[in-house]
Amino acid sequence: GAGVSQSPRYKVTKRGQDVALRCDPISGHVSLYWYRQALGQGPEFLTYFNYEAQQDKSGLPNDRFSAERPEGSISTLTIQRTEQRDSAMYRCASSLTQTSGSGELFFGEGSRLTVL
Amino acid sequence: AQTVTQSQPEMSVQEAETVTLSCTYDTSESNYYLFWYKQPPSRQMILVIRQEAYKQQNATENRFSVNFQKAAKSFSLKISDSQLGDTAMYFCAFIPNSGNTPLVFGKGTRLSVIA
Repeated sequence: GAGVSQSPRYKVTKRGQDVALRCDPISGHVSLYWYRQALGQGPEFLTYFNYEAQQDKSGLPNDRFSAERPEGSISTLTIQRTEQRDSAMYRCASSLTQTSGSGELFFGEGSRLTVL
Repeated sequence: AQTVTQSQPEMSVQEAETVTLSCTYDTSESNYYLFWYKQPPSRQMILVIRQEAYKQQNATENRFSVNFQKAAKSFSLKISDSQLGDTAMYFCAFIPNSGNTPLVFGKGTRLSVIA
């Protein structure tokens, strides 16, 4: 696609429910990143992939969070047994190369999650 | 671990004036990239300017320029002739050239341009 696409744009869920957030990166982009951004804060790294391989998941807050990118394209971030503190904007970004500094990181518009 | 510090949570500037946003970072890497991203009220993330650490010349993009001081690990953003559309959160970000670590962001500076 023309840009990084995320869905759903908005998700309201009740505490304890599972949610899945989807990211469709720019076609051909090798690296895919997930960030979380609380209101008024900078993006906080969660995890990233090169192709289908998860390179770093050190930013995932706990084992309720997981991510996959099985075919090296679309990625899903799953949060199990959601809690109110999980409420945030979840942003996906992709880059053409693995060395993302030499190329630009393109961000999606984000998925805003609200846990009641 | 790499860290990025933006010491100014909020700043304001009169339209047409110049403003400088500060950013410092900490790393043991010798080659890396630095970025400034803009996040307007629409909450998109827009790349403003990029600096490669091995280049001594400061990057410039129209009204936006940086003052990169590698020894001091400082990377400030100067906005000249400020416009109302510059009102946004500005995030400084860092990534080493190794490509095996993610982009690290500062906490941001909220800039308000006043008419």
